Amino acid sequence: RKEVEQDPGPFNVPEGATVAFNCTYSNSASQSFFWYRQDCRKEPKLLMSVYSSGNEDGRFTAQLNRASQYISLLIRDSKLSDSATYLCVVSSGGYNKLIFGAGTRLAVHP
Amino acid sequence: SAVISQKPSRDICQRGTSLTIQCQVDSQVTMMFWYRQQPGQSLTLIATANQGSEATYESGFVIDKFPISRPNLTFSTLTVSNMSPEDSSIYLCSAPPGYSSYNEQFFGPGTRLTVL
Repeated sequence: RKEVEQDPGPFNVPEGATVAFNCTYSNSASQSFFWYRQDCRKEPKLLMSVYSSGNEDGRFTAQLNRASQYISLLIRDSKLSDSATYLCVVSSGGYNKLIFGAGTRLAVHP
Repeated sequence: SAVISQKPSRDICQRGTSLTIQCQVDSQVTMMFWYRQQPGQSLTLIATANQGSEATYESGFVIDKFPISRPNLTFSTLTVSNMSPEDSSIYLCSAPPGYSSYNEQFFGPGTRLTVL
């Protein structure tokens, strides 16, 4: 079983749609959780950290359920510029080791 | 955030040769990490570059193949030794900002390596 598993995608949605990505992790000792965005042929860039209380940044909402070891990302009012691969990332271990999910590809079309 | 640069940005190398990739951070950081992203796949951690001690390698990666240096708190190198076509990949370095260990990490732009 992979340490971090994501929806395989791809998600093809029209502009303005709401889309949700799910992610599960296997290590209950994981300490930090993130969503990264990766554009084609670019490095991953931090989209947002994920907190137990849930957090929102504009059109993006992230939630964490430690009991279920589940992380989600909701994107509202999708824009063409949201098209990218979204990586669920979990940090564990004593030295901030990041474990990446395989990523979910999002394509927003007009 | 930390600004991270890498050199070279890309290279095409012959089988059996070695390539050293440099990673420079614009501020002192405790931890630096090296990742590999094979075509169509996500990132896999190769090793943690420790300042003043040997790197810590993940399962499946060994020092003879991927020697790492970390001479100070802003710089690290990764060498891909005795390359084969299977080493064709993007290699990325990363660091969490400052001296924090549990923060998010910022990535360099990556080095795209093609081995013929």
